[in-house]
Amino acid sequence: GAVVSQHPSRVICKSGTSVKIECRSLDFQATTMFWYRQFPKQSLMLMATSNEGSKATYEQGVEKDKFLINHASLTLSTLTVTSAHPEDSSFYICSASKMTGTSNTDTQYFGPGTRLTVL
Amino acid sequence: QKEVEQNSGPLSVPEGAIASLNCTYSDRVSQSFFWYRQYSGKSPELIMSIYSNGDKEDGRFTAQLNKASQYVSLLIRDSQPSDSATYLCAVNPAGGTSYGKLTFGQGTILTVHP
Repeated sequence: GAVVSQHPSRVICKSGTSVKIECRSLDFQATTMFWYRQFPKQSLMLMATSNEGSKATYEQGVEKDKFLINHASLTLSTLTVTSAHPEDSSFYICSASKMTGTSNTDTQYFGPGTRLTVL
Repeated sequence: QKEVEQNSGPLSVPEGAIASLNCTYSDRVSQSFFWYRQYSGKSPELIMSIYSNGDKEDGRFTAQLNKASQYVSLLIRDSQPSDSATYLCAVNPAGGTSYGKLTFGQGTILTVHP
């Protein structure tokens, strides 16, 4: 299998606070994980690529100081939304690429997502 | 021009019919292609991957790839109401390297009515 979990599934916070979202690959190792954001009725927008043991690669227009990514192990990546504001309210989804031997396959398996609401 | 294009729909088909979903991509060196299904309020789930020209079948699903025409499609046979969802086409423009970054189309909404 290729199961990816996210925690929490839903979070409501006050404006100005920080929120941490965890993404775990449960039954496989993933050198690379990806973080997406999805607004209602829109497609997935890639925010950043998370690489185990190195700095994340952010897409154009995504503030790296606002969306902190840490990929501390082959099964865990975290996304921290710092000083959240109402416009950060969205559906955040992670995915992981499954390693085969010494390299990743390019199939991405998605976590169930985290719905963030900032009041 | 968008890198991966899909007709946003909605595509409506009767139960039991064949649903045909289409996707075109702009990067000729793309090597890996994926179809994901996303139910409302849920995250995407992988349906199929395809890497070579031709057809690939898995149960009621058939993916078709034509690299010369830069076209990939998904056929759903014997469509069921439970197939009603948004279908996302995804392309790896890096040619199947370990980087694995995907480009997604905007998705096609499929509705299967009883």
